[in-house]
Amino acid sequence: QSALTQPASVSGSPGQSITISCTGTSSDVGGYNYVSWYQQHPGKVPKLMIYDVTNRPSGVSSRFSGSKSGNTASLTISGLQAEDEADYYCSSYTRISTYVFGTGTKVTVL
Amino acid sequence: QVQLQQWGAGLLKPSETLSLTCAVYGGSFSGYYWNWIRQPPGKGLEWIGEINQSGRTNYNPSLKSRVTISVDTSKNQISLRLSSVTAADTAVYFCASPYSYGSLASFDIWGQGTMVTVSS
Repeated sequence: QSALTQPASVSGSPGQSITISCTGTSSDVGGYNYVSWYQQHPGKVPKLMIYDVTNRPSGVSSRFSGSKSGNTASLTISGLQAEDEADYYCSSYTRISTYVFGTGTKVTVL
Repeated sequence: QVQLQQWGAGLLKPSETLSLTCAVYGGSFSGYYWNWIRQPPGKGLEWIGEINQSGRTNYNPSLKSRVTISVDTSKNQISLRLSSVTAADTAVYFCASPYSYGSLASFDIWGQGTMVTVSS
């Protein structure tokens, strides 16, 4: 199974909105609403930010939102803050009952 | 609050077998899938496999020939064995579970991670 495709880096100024894409196939992202997003600061454990494409776990800021169209899922961070600077990974369930992660995106707050 | 604590050997030689254990504390063990995920230094996350309390497993096809995940329900523990390791298996290994939200791929509970280095 191939990793989902994410842009290597995305940047924005404080207060701006940014969107990270996650492109898969009809066998993973496009076939199921089991797409999740994770935030990982350097040396830390990944943190679940979005699950089931659009749902936010309790405690996660409403500035984070998810969506999906066809084989591409997206994570939008609105009102960008310095603390949002981190690596972000998407993940999807697949048709062969496995999971696949994205290639990862480094978010830089300018 | 459920917590995962993991441990195992951190330095291996090529061709040896990696062995890690993850214990579940403070929550229910049954009814959930328990996963192993790894992250090579400076690289992305890779799903390794999962197991439930009945011993049903699913593995990453790219690792399936070398991976065994097992469960000990008497101790609320899962274990990972990866045979014939090479330098490419050097990574931080995490146990994780889609525990709280009843949904696939929603890994909300993670162990602290174990750095495993393969070097001669």
